[in-house]
Amino acid sequence: AQSVAQPEDQVNVAEGNPLTVKCTYSVSGNPYLFWYVQYPNRGLQFLLKYITGDNLVKGSYGFEAEFNKSQTSFHLKKPSALVSDSALYFCAVRDRTGANNLFFGTGTRLTVIP
Amino acid sequence: KAGVTQTPRYLIKTRGQQVTLSCSPISGHRSVSWYQQTPGQGLQFLFEYFSETQRNKGNFPGRFSGRQFSNSRSEMNVSTLELGDSALYLCASSPTGLNQPQHFGDGTRLSIL
Repeated sequence: AQSVAQPEDQVNVAEGNPLTVKCTYSVSGNPYLFWYVQYPNRGLQFLLKYITGDNLVKGSYGFEAEFNKSQTSFHLKKPSALVSDSALYFCAVRDRTGANNLFFGTGTRLTVIP
Repeated sequence: KAGVTQTPRYLIKTRGQQVTLSCSPISGHRSVSWYQQTPGQGLQFLFEYFSETQRNKGNFPGRFSGRQFSNSRSEMNVSTLELGDSALYLCASSPTGLNQPQHFGDGTRLSIL
């Protein structure tokens, strides 16, 4: 079975400071990993993905994520937070067998304080 | 390229009624997935269709059903609506590969009175 944990329901960070949104996963074999962002009354927008290769993945809007196989983590990071980054962030995992669909974490609400 | 389009955006129904939601995927995308989003349960996978066939199914009762047409457009139907079915229903499309990201529509917000 696959699962995703986002241990923090809420993350607050001051504008200009670095931000981290945490994600750990459980899946058989090597996973496909994704981050999405959701703004109010909108669907989810794709930010970045890890498939293979370099453990540091760069995505949209200056976000990046680091894949750590030994810790089964895929934390989302940004060097300098913007107020406009305030939104709901979802981590998602999919195994490589095709037997299961994309499985989402419960989401982390990021608030960037001016 | 046009994004994923879901209609209607808002819907109000009463208990016992049935409802059909529509999703038009991005051109060229053959996989369409449906999710239910609620404050308490988060994002829950309903089902995925690929080339008109249901490829995966989540843990929802049989009142929830779907289909996909030859042009990849998809519909989701919920019969005998219950108060607990009030949610944002999201549709997502993707190309054929498992490592491809899903692209989401803005959802249909269904309210059951």
